[in-house]
Amino acid sequence: EAGVAQSPRYKIIEKRQSVAFWCNPISGHATLYWYQQILGQGPKLLIQFQNNGVVDDSQLPKDRFSAERLKGVDSTLKIQPAKLEDSAVYLCASSPLAVSYNEQFFGPGTRLTVL
Amino acid sequence: AQKITQTQPGMFVQEKEAVTLDCTYDTSDQSYGLFWYKQPSSGEMIFLIYQGSYDEQNATEGRYSLNFQKARKSANLVISASQLGDSAMYFCAMREVMNSGYSTLTFGKGTMLLVSP
Repeated sequence: EAGVAQSPRYKIIEKRQSVAFWCNPISGHATLYWYQQILGQGPKLLIQFQNNGVVDDSQLPKDRFSAERLKGVDSTLKIQPAKLEDSAVYLCASSPLAVSYNEQFFGPGTRLTVL
Repeated sequence: AQKITQTQPGMFVQEKEAVTLDCTYDTSDQSYGLFWYKQPSSGEMIFLIYQGSYDEQNATEGRYSLNFQKARKSANLVISASQLGDSAMYFCAMREVMNSGYSTLTFGKGTMLLVSP
């Protein structure tokens, strides 16, 4: 079974530029998560999708971050414009369901550096 | 207030010895779950072990066991017979069911474990 795929693995941009990350979850997984992990901290949930609907985006900085999951499969996370403090690893995860015990399966992450 | 507290920024252990990584949590829910994930330098989060709040037995998965003390709200990870490949960051996380009916994970800040030969 293929795992969660993310691209790119690394990205370096200058502040005020735009960037987009892509995630393809494990086939059949209804729930998709985007996390931000700043160096030295644990992952922080940015947004959670159930199929193609958003169920939690309370910690997403909506003035600059946006995410979509068209057709309930793969997802993109966009930052526009980027700030220095957005430098972090962006992790995508998926699980079969979100309403009961299910471990989340994580992708390798995208390491973003904003200069 | 932090929901997940990992008080050990770093831990050192010699190969083949056991090590305990601490985790305390804060919730008023009756139903919740506790996870431990390993994050090697490659960056991927690897699921290790899960403990449900109603599970009476401590969870075990191979060399990993979870010392669950519900009254103290602690869920410490015990790694027996440490191996060099165990060197990584370890994160404790808590699953809570939100009002929407969906669950979410909250992570601690992590503990860096270094295993020496």
